[in-house]
Amino acid sequence: DVKVTQSSRYLVKRTGEKVFLECVQDMDHENMFWYRQDPGLGLRLIYFSYDVKMKEKGDIPEGYSVSREKKERFSLILESASTNQTSMYLCASSLGGAHEKLFFGSGTQLSVL
Amino acid sequence: DAKTTQPPSMDCAEGRAANLPCNHSTISGNEYVYWYRQIHSQGPQYIIHGLKNNETNEMASLIITEDRKSSTLILPHATLRDTAVYYCIVRVAISKLTFGKGITLSVRP
Repeated sequence: DVKVTQSSRYLVKRTGEKVFLECVQDMDHENMFWYRQDPGLGLRLIYFSYDVKMKEKGDIPEGYSVSREKKERFSLILESASTNQTSMYLCASSLGGAHEKLFFGSGTQLSVL
Repeated sequence: DAKTTQPPSMDCAEGRAANLPCNHSTISGNEYVYWYRQIHSQGPQYIIHGLKNNETNEMASLIITEDRKSSTLILPHATLRDTAVYYCIVRVAISKLTFGKGITLSVRP
């Protein structure tokens, strides 16, 4: 089975800190995604990467950046964390086809105080 | 992209079929219907997807109406472990799949 691993299950940070959320997949998938999930809002796409060093903005990229230096690893960066970025962050990966299934990690619950 | 409408919640008895509806009246000809589910405290899990023909796999069946304006996900024999939020998504391709609020299915003993 595909494994998508997120580095932390829970994370607490201070306002203004730089925050790195790491995601690693072990199935040589081309596509990787970062979503955030908030009560009543469902999952919203932050960024998407279809290849190493390639990225596309999702629906809510403001306040975030991403890095994909290696195929298996996709990092989400909060340059200066704010309280409205408190959320559950979910990473996913998929093969490169147009209709491949997404495999999700278990998520990182980030609290910004 | 076509917008989907799902009721907020439904329940069914264990062992019975669960039929989860989804309306997507503005769907365009090249948009697929995807279903995912999210069990509490886990990431979403892919269930099935289709374009216009009915689809079946080991988890569920997807029935798409002939005009493609609505679809139904069928879990043939629901178990307690099927209690989850189910997302119906309509999109041209996997890039930028966006999940709405979904429907909460509660399976009762």
